[in-house]
Order: sequence, then C-alpha cells, then structure tokens
Amino acid sequence: DQQVKQNSPSLSVQEGRISILNCDYTNSMFDYFLWYKKYPAEGPTFLISISSIKDKNEDGRFTVFLNKSAKHLSLHIVPSQPGDSAVYFCAASMNTGNQFYFGTGTSLTVIP
Amino acid sequence: DSGVTQTPKHLITATGQRVTLRCSPRSGDLSVYWYQQSLDQGLQFLIQYYNGEERAKGNILERFSAQQFPDLHSELNLSSLELGDSALYFCASSPIGGAYTFGSGTRLTVV
Repeated sequence: DQQVKQNSPSLSVQEGRISILNCDYTNSMFDYFLWYKKYPAEGPTFLISISSIKDKNEDGRFTVFLNKSAKHLSLHIVPSQPGDSAVYFCAASMNTGNQFYFGTGTSLTVIP
Repeated sequence: DSGVTQTPKHLITATGQRVTLRCSPRSGDLSVYWYQQSLDQGLQFLIQYYNGEERAKGNILERFSAQQFPDLHSELNLSSLELGDSALYFCASSPIGGAYTFGSGTRLTVV
C-alpha cells in the first residue's frame, strides 16, 4: 500500500523556468514531510522539509507547499538550473514513529 | 561525504548465495534504516533499528535479516539470493525525529 505517491515519473523544464513537483499522501496522521534529491550512483540527499503546522517553507530557490486538507505537497524550484536534473523523492512521517514513507520519485530534467 | 558509510559499494554474487551489507551511521545518530530501491521503484522501507533494538519492520523478506551492534553500525544479511533481489540497498541514519542522512548505497547484482 503506497501511502505516499508521486504520480509523475518524469518532468522536463527549460532552464530558468519553474519546476513543480507534486506529491500526494493518504495517511492523515502524517505531520512531517521531506524532499530528497538523488543523482545517479549516489544516495538521496536532504533538500527541504515542512511540518504540518506550516503551509510553506522556503530555502533559496526551493519552496515546499503543504495543503493538508488535500493531502498534497509540492516542491517549486525557481529558477530551474541544469544541475537540478535529478530524481526527487518526497517522504512523510508521523512524528512519533520517525519512520519515513517515500514516494516513487520524479525524474526532473532541466533543459539548457 | 554524508557521514553515513556503506560497504561494499558493489557486490556481484550468484543465486542461492548469502551476502552481508554493512552500514556505519553518522556520528551521534542512534537510528539506522535500511531501504531497497529496485529498478523503476521507489525507496522501499525494510527495517529500522534504534540504539541496537529493532524499532520498525517494513517489507522485509524472511530471507533477509538485520542487526545493529553496540557501536551502532548495522548489517543487513541477505540469504538464498534470487535474481529479483538485485537492487540498490541504502542505509540511512537520523537523530530522533530528524531527517535521514543516506549513505551512497550498495549495488547488489545477483546472477
């Protein structure tokens, strides 16, 4: 049972434009969400997080939005750069459990 | 270097064999997690240890087992290997309630 879903396996965006990666979850008990970026042959690296008490968190070019009523979060990258080309995973946890459930990933390609 | 060390980086073995994957967590992190990433699949949670004790179990096969030692390093044992066990195996560690830090993974190929 996939509790965290990333329905777009891939996304292509022109350099300088906005990249929007989406993630949906089914468990209303999730209250902490992360985005990870993964390059080939490397482990995932932490990108940005958001707690359920917020609806937005920003870090430089990266912004994560959380819509709790829709059980949806999104990652915005503005402006997109070729170095952003990677697979992006969203993950969710129930704070007490500390176990993160990961989506299947979205492969982002930023075209120069 | 993320601080989480996984060895070996690559492993090729035959069906029916047994292998051990090793993970050293980031200094100070008590939790260790194992994940499997097969081709075109997301990260599938296998098992979590916290300070030497099993904390949570995911989709881990009975042929697989893990443990965390007093020095907090962890080993994932995979036995009676099948072709379908070929995958990337990631270890991650975290402080309590914190984000995971992943190792660079072990690529297992079963032939």
